[in-house]
Amino acid sequence: DGGITQSPKYLFRKEGQNVTLSCEQNLNHDAMYWYRQDPGQGLRLIYYSQIVNDFQKGDIAEGYSVSREKKESFPLTVTSAQKNPTAFYLCASSPGQGGSEKLFFGSGTQLSVL
Amino acid sequence: GDSVTQMEGPVTLSEEAFLTINCTYTATGYPSLFWYVQYPGEGLQLLLKATKADDKGSNKGFEATYRKETTSFHLEKGSVQVSDSAVYFCALSPYNTNAGKSTFGDGTTLTVKP
Repeated sequence: DGGITQSPKYLFRKEGQNVTLSCEQNLNHDAMYWYRQDPGQGLRLIYYSQIVNDFQKGDIAEGYSVSREKKESFPLTVTSAQKNPTAFYLCASSPGQGGSEKLFFGSGTQLSVL
Repeated sequence: GDSVTQMEGPVTLSEEAFLTINCTYTATGYPSLFWYVQYPGEGLQLLLKATKADDKGSNKGFEATYRKETTSFHLEKGSVQVSDSAVYFCALSPYNTNAGKSTFGDGTTLTVKP
């Protein structure tokens, strides 16, 4: 079945450490996105990519980095510069770029600080 | 900027009760409107959407009508089940922007008791 796979489901970060969250899709979608979800809040956009080898900052990009070397893959690195990384991270994709397109989400990664 | 305001939760109902979750929005132009549902520990799934005024989105017994005059997109279901317990997010996406740059509400937690 087509979909978005995020791994790992749970991740722990030590102070000063960079960690990378994986996101893979087999939907052949051009556009991919990373969101951060904090308890009781809506989703906030971290980074998005509309095409391979190109990506744009979202609303809260500081302390994060991404790459888009392959259409299927859009990994997110949470760097040591992100001082409050504990959150639920969601990867999503869409078949096109129009505003009426629905988003397809992965099942998320819960990141916690040790 | 764009914004989405959802009815505050949590909402607790008995099985077979009528459900309404209010959603109002602020946006320029003619955005697309969405309801997404999130089950515990999972990503979001599209529940329904509407792309123009007076459109009614429906799925799995849930309905919402795009009301431009009241800038609202309230979610309703005539008879809820225990399996409907989840967090519901209202979202909007301006027609001339990337779907991933949608604005999300803070979510409303629904618990249905047998």
